[in-house]
Amino acid sequence: SQTIHQWPATLVQPVGSPLSLECTVEGTSNPNLYWYRQAAGRGLQLLFYSIGIGQISSEVPQNLSASRPQDRQFILSSKKLLLSDSGFYLCAWSKRTTDQPQHFGDGTRLSIL
Amino acid sequence: AQTVTQSQPEMSVQEAETVTLSCTYDTSENNYYLFWYKQPPSRQMILVIRQEAYKQQNATENRFSVNFQKAAKSFSLKISDSQLGDTAMYFCAFENTDKLIFGTGTRLQVFP
Repeated sequence: SQTIHQWPATLVQPVGSPLSLECTVEGTSNPNLYWYRQAAGRGLQLLFYSIGIGQISSEVPQNLSASRPQDRQFILSSKKLLLSDSGFYLCAWSKRTTDQPQHFGDGTRLSIL
Repeated sequence: AQTVTQSQPEMSVQEAETVTLSCTYDTSENNYYLFWYKQPPSRQMILVIRQEAYKQQNATENRFSVNFQKAAKSFSLKISDSQLGDTAMYFCAFENTDKLIFGTGTRLQVFP
């Protein structure tokens, strides 16, 4: 069966520090991969999605970037964190065919001090 | 652009009763998918039910069912025989071309 791993679960970082959140998927190949952010009490906002290695689409302008160095690995990064980057970050995957639902990781709670 | 609206920020229901959560959306597409996701206090996003827009029959999944009205662009979720474990945030989502657009969520509290 397929599983998705996301880490760390919580992270506290000072303003201006770098960020790297990692997400990996097991049990499938060529998945679509997604990064979402959820602000407190809000819905999910799609940040990035990827249909293959090195193929990243950005949905909103921001301080963050994403990379997909391997087929089942998706990394969310920042060179300098801002206070506004605080939130709950969720990684998700789906099969490449269009009628497949997305499956989410357990999320990372990021607090910027 | 597609939008998803959940007009009920909070709902409550007594255990064993039935509750309906509302969702409307706006799109010019004809083929798309609709989902309800549940986010309990653990914050994990769990797929509850999905509906293909080309299917007229409403989807059901055990105690969960939807009322899909394509012309009205409405997609409500009915939870029957509510259980304490149903307490969570519920998000309605629209998908077209592999991207999900979420509503702002409805917080459901089930009381004993």
